[in-house]
Amino acid sequence: DVKVTQSSRYLVKRTGEKVFLECVQDMDHENMFWYRQDPGLGLRLIYFSYDVKMKEKGDIPEGYSVSREKKERFSLILESASTNQTSMYLCASSLWSDTQYFGPGTRLTVL
Amino acid sequence: AQTVTQSQPEMSVQEAETVTLSCTYDTSENNYYLFWYKQPPSRQMILVIRQEAYKQQNATENRFSVNFQKAAKSFSLKISDSQLGDTAMYFCAFMKGSGTASKLTFGTGTRLQVTL
Repeated sequence: DVKVTQSSRYLVKRTGEKVFLECVQDMDHENMFWYRQDPGLGLRLIYFSYDVKMKEKGDIPEGYSVSREKKERFSLILESASTNQTSMYLCASSLWSDTQYFGPGTRLTVL
Repeated sequence: AQTVTQSQPEMSVQEAETVTLSCTYDTSENNYYLFWYKQPPSRQMILVIRQEAYKQQNATENRFSVNFQKAAKSFSLKISDSQLGDTAMYFCAFMKGSGTASKLTFGTGTRLQVTL
């Protein structure tokens, strides 16, 4: 079974803090994704990566950056957290253009 | 750009009954995939079923089946013999078929409640 893990289930941060969300997959997948989920909006893609050190912007990249130094790990970085970044963050991975498998999500609250 | 529309924000079904969740999409692509994901209260997004656009046969997975109408751009999910554990948010999603990473475009979801 594919396993995608995220570093925290719940996270509370203050405005202006730098925030790191970590995602690890154990299936040697090339592709990794970060989505945010908001009520009434579904899931929206923030960034994705198709190889180590490679990244592409998704639909809503503003205010975020990513890092992929190792194939199994994909980090989402909020350089200066703001209250409008309070959301559920979901990581996913896939093998080429194939089914995406999701992690359990991190609910981030920015005060 | 692709769009996915789920017009039913909430639905309810009694245990053991059948329910159908609707999904329509808009795309100019010819090669693509469609998915239904389930998100129970635990928040884990779980793949329910997947359909390749080039396949005319509707996908089935145990009690879950789809009605894929390519010309109408419709992709509904039928859940037979509903169980309490089916209570969840259900998301329809679209993905372009390509040789590299391709993002999922999600609908806004349908909250399904299964009652006794």
